[in-house]
Amino acid sequence: GAVVSQHPSWVICKSGTSVKIECRSLDFQATTMFWYRQFPKQSLMLMATSNEGSKATYEQGVEKDKFLINHASLTLSTLTVTSAHPEDSSFYICSARGTGGLNEQYFGPGTRLTVT
Amino acid sequence: AQSVTQLGSHVSVSEGALVLLRCNYSSSVPPYLFWYVQYPNQGLQLLLKYTSAATLVKGINDFEAEFKKSETSFHLTKPSAHMSDAAEYFCAVGVNTGFQKLVFGTGTRLLVSP
Repeated sequence: GAVVSQHPSWVICKSGTSVKIECRSLDFQATTMFWYRQFPKQSLMLMATSNEGSKATYEQGVEKDKFLINHASLTLSTLTVTSAHPEDSSFYICSARGTGGLNEQYFGPGTRLTVT
Repeated sequence: AQSVTQLGSHVSVSEGALVLLRCNYSSSVPPYLFWYVQYPNQGLQLLLKYTSAATLVKGINDFEAEFKKSETSFHLTKPSAHMSDAAEYFCAVGVNTGFQKLVFGTGTRLLVSP
């Protein structure tokens, strides 16, 4: 139980385009989802927290207009990187937190974004 | 503000040897502490967590960690390393902002030699 998927697992896009990453909780309802960014050989940095049906809360220094987060249902959150640039290339990982016995964060497998 | 410090970016052990990965935390309130493992190009898998119950926490794959308040530590140990344990390990502290964010340490890469 408590499986989180991400799609796509990797994506290459051209500079200036937008790319959407999906995060799904497959067997539980996620009241809260988190988006992290991980640069090579570095730790995870929290980008934003989203609750279903409300606006995301972004961490300091994260551009909300560049990284659009939508948490439209209890099983799906999306991260859209708008007008991507090579410096946005990174490993993006989501996690989902349920309720009751599932109130810890369960992580997705990550999405490797390369912007050329 | 809560934070964690992982001493040693790399730890090398021989197969069968004791694994010790160090984590110290800083928290003004009783912390929730976690250890995660990450294999290359994958997400994080929870090894174990401390949530103010028993101070010695047992996790998956024979890993365990002991919460020591006096030392503000939560070191991860395994009696006998396997080659399959080679991975990146992250210590994290839960920050209760209503959403319970996680603040991660910088990670420790465990290398296991035959």
